[in-house]
Amino acid sequence: KAGVTQTPRYLIKTRGQQVTLSCSPISGHRSVSWYQQTPGQGLQFLFEYFSETQRNKGNFPGRFSGRQFSNSRSEMNVSTLELGDSALYLCASSLDSGNNEQFFGPGTRLTVL
Amino acid sequence: AQSVTQLGSHVSVSEGALVLLRCNYSSSVPPYLFWYVQYPNQGLQLLLKYTTGATLVKGINGFEAEFKKSETSFHLTKPSAHMSDAAEYFCAVKGTGRRALTFGSGTRLQVQP
Repeated sequence: KAGVTQTPRYLIKTRGQQVTLSCSPISGHRSVSWYQQTPGQGLQFLFEYFSETQRNKGNFPGRFSGRQFSNSRSEMNVSTLELGDSALYLCASSLDSGNNEQFFGPGTRLTVL
Repeated sequence: AQSVTQLGSHVSVSEGALVLLRCNYSSSVPPYLFWYVQYPNQGLQLLLKYTTGATLVKGINGFEAEFKKSETSFHLTKPSAHMSDAAEYFCAVKGTGRRALTFGSGTRLQVQP
């Protein structure tokens, strides 16, 4: 069974631009969570989607948004990029929103110049 | 509210020596506890998890952890370190119900030959 895939793996953008990251969960998994990883703040929860609905949201500004499609694939969007948005963005999937085991993808490394 | 404290951002051991990575948590509800490992430029891989039942949990690659409610701890151990164990290790907690993982700040394990 294929694991969680994230595209692209690396991305370079400039301040003020917007970016869309994609995540394909493990087949059969309906919950997708997004995390931001930075050296200073560590791993922080962004949001979780289950059956196309946002179930949980972390403490991030409205510039960070996401969505989930009927096939459980998810995208996250960051608008008006800031230098501080440079991070590794990790996607994790699980069978359902209440299931406790999350499987992580390799991440998308976003660099904002 | 839930939080995780990992004591020691860097731990160095000799190959063949005992590995001990410390994790203390706080949670207002019975916790589910996890240890993840991250190799350079990769996502997180689940090492082991505690949900309910036996408090000594065995994971992959010879790692194990013991849930001690009285000490609010979930320390990770391995009897004999291998060079391939060099990586960053994250302890995480999740309360019962639909809550996101809260991660510790991570411990970088270095294994000396």
